[in-house]
Amino acid sequence: EADIYQTPRYLVIGTGKKITLECSQTMGHDKMYWYQQDPGMELHLIHYSYGVNSTEKGDLSSESTVSRIRTEHFPLTLESARPSHTSQYLCASSVTGGRGYTFGSGTRLTVV
Amino acid sequence: GQQLNQSPQSMFIQEGEDVSMNCTSSSIFNTWLWYKQDPGEGPVLLIALYKAGELTSNGRLTAQFGITRKDSFLNISASIPSDVGIYFCSNYGGSQGNLIFGKGTKLSVKP
Repeated sequence: EADIYQTPRYLVIGTGKKITLECSQTMGHDKMYWYQQDPGMELHLIHYSYGVNSTEKGDLSSESTVSRIRTEHFPLTLESARPSHTSQYLCASSVTGGRGYTFGSGTRLTVV
Repeated sequence: GQQLNQSPQSMFIQEGEDVSMNCTSSSIFNTWLWYKQDPGEGPVLLIALYKAGELTSNGRLTAQFGITRKDSFLNISASIPSDVGIYFCSNYGGSQGNLIFGKGTKLSVKP
């Protein structure tokens, strides 16, 4: 079944560590996105990609970086995690002109 | 980017009651989308609206695209415990043409 997968689901990590959040989709969607969801529920776009080798920053400034080497894969990396990075990170994908986005289940990151 | 004003922020209701929530904006849109996020999961698309005045149902859920194109409403009839979650309105109002979301309505249902 076509879907979008995020790993890990939960991650607790110490300050200063480098981490990569994985996101893969099997739907052949050209566009992919990373949203950060704060405890107050709001969703903020932090990165997006319109295709291979295309990455852009979103509406909310983030210290994370992304890459898009393959259509199906859109990982997010934090070079040095800090407690302020503690949040829920949601990956999504869509087709051009499509009906909304398909979201993964999210990664809940806690930096201690 | 633009803003979507969603209300209420939270609702505590009894099982069997009907629910109404809405989303407004100062901007005109051609699309309104409603998502639901179950606890611990990502948002899932419930209903998509593409035309002013459009009324669309999905089971016990009914959504309407406001005639002014600046608002939308979501109604849930005869709520059940599995309706618990966060409901988001959404639109292509981001500065890069991306989806933006309202702040969400958190629904709690007492059995």
